[in-house]
Order: sequence, then structure tokens, then C-alpha cells
Amino acid sequence: ETGVTQTPRHLVMGMTNKKSLKCEQHLGHNAMYWYKQSAKKPLELMFVYSLEERVENNSVPSRFSPECPNSSHLFLHLHTLQPEDSALYLCASSLTSGGADTQYFGPGTRLTVL
Amino acid sequence: GQNIDQPTEMTATEGAIVQINCTYQTSGFNGLFWYQQHAGEAPTFLSYNVLDGLEEKGRFSSFLSRSKGYSYLLLKELQMKDSASYLCAVMDSNYQLIWGAGTKLIIKP
Repeated sequence: ETGVTQTPRHLVMGMTNKKSLKCEQHLGHNAMYWYKQSAKKPLELMFVYSLEERVENNSVPSRFSPECPNSSHLFLHLHTLQPEDSALYLCASSLTSGGADTQYFGPGTRLTVL
Repeated sequence: GQNIDQPTEMTATEGAIVQINCTYQTSGFNGLFWYQQHAGEAPTFLSYNVLDGLEEKGRFSSFLSRSKGYSYLLLKELQMKDSASYLCAVMDSNYQLIWGAGTKLIIKP
């Protein structure tokens, strides 16, 4: 299944680095999501975009900055992260953000902050 | 607050049947999803229930009781490849998914 792709798959960064995560969906969907998945915890919704407009920001620290240049691409820009930000970052897409549409996930980026 | 509860870990034997339960309390209800996630991989969609009752899809079935705030995922004829985490998620009144922490299923030969 290559409907939603994410790069890189693994990332190690220091607290002063700046890096970006990339997500691309090939499903023709209009909504895209960033989630954080930490061990033994529920998925945490970070951001929701619908037709390139941000429709949800769940109190995420400003060191995480999303960007959605078009409905197929989503980025998460990272700067001055903390060790507790180490987690699996998942991207997902769905047909719309305002209905009971199934979300399809990418394989995630495993982030380690030193 | 909103809450999804499911067991942390379960163990079952190859060829057997296992039932993974999920209870929920959410602000509104627009359906319940089950996903499978193998270690290091993407969660993949298994089922969606919005009406009470049982939905069967091959070896996997999912049940919903909205009045009890309860669902289960039933896996039959277990195979080693079914070893994975199973995530329960409820779509609330704002069409946001509220997730459980997942149930890690271990299949033994």
C-alpha cells in the first residue's frame, strides 16, 4: 500500500537542529493530518488540514510548525525540540475532514531527539 | 472528558479465536473504527461500525452496542501474522477520532 508516503522513516536530531518531515498522499483526498504516537499511549492529533487550510491545532507547541502547500503534500517543520518529543509521527489523509471518512496512514517517521 | 479503554495486551494461540474489547465515553458518536498496526508500520483500517450489531469481514468481525458504549473485535482462525496492535477509535461529534492506547496481541504457536 503506497497511498500515503512519509520521509524520512527515521530521524535523529539534536535539540538545536531544524528538520522537516514530509508526507505525500496519492489518494485524491482533501484532508490531511499529523499525529504523534508515543509508546503505550493513544494517538495524539496535532494538526488537521482541509483543502490546504488548517482547521485544527490541538494546543501543539510552536516548535512544531505545519505546512500544507497543496492537498497532496503536508510538512511538519521541527525546531528546538525537546527529548520528550521523541515519538513516531504519523501522517494520515481522508476524503474530507468533516465526515465519518476513513483515515489512511503513512508508515510514520521515527523521531529521536538527543 | 473523552475516554477509550481497551486491554493493554492479550495472548492467544494460533488457530484459536480472540475477542478484543473496547469501551468508550465520548462527546457525541459518529462511528467506531478498528485499525491494525504491526510494529514499525502504518495503522491499517479494519472496520467501521456506526449502527448496533455485528459486521463480518472474513476472519475478522466487529460488534457495536451504542447504548453500552461498547465494541469488540473478533479474530477467528488466528494466524501468526495477526500478531500486532489493534487500535480502537471513536469519531466524536466534531468528526475527530478519539483513540484508545491499543491492544498488543501476541499469537503463540
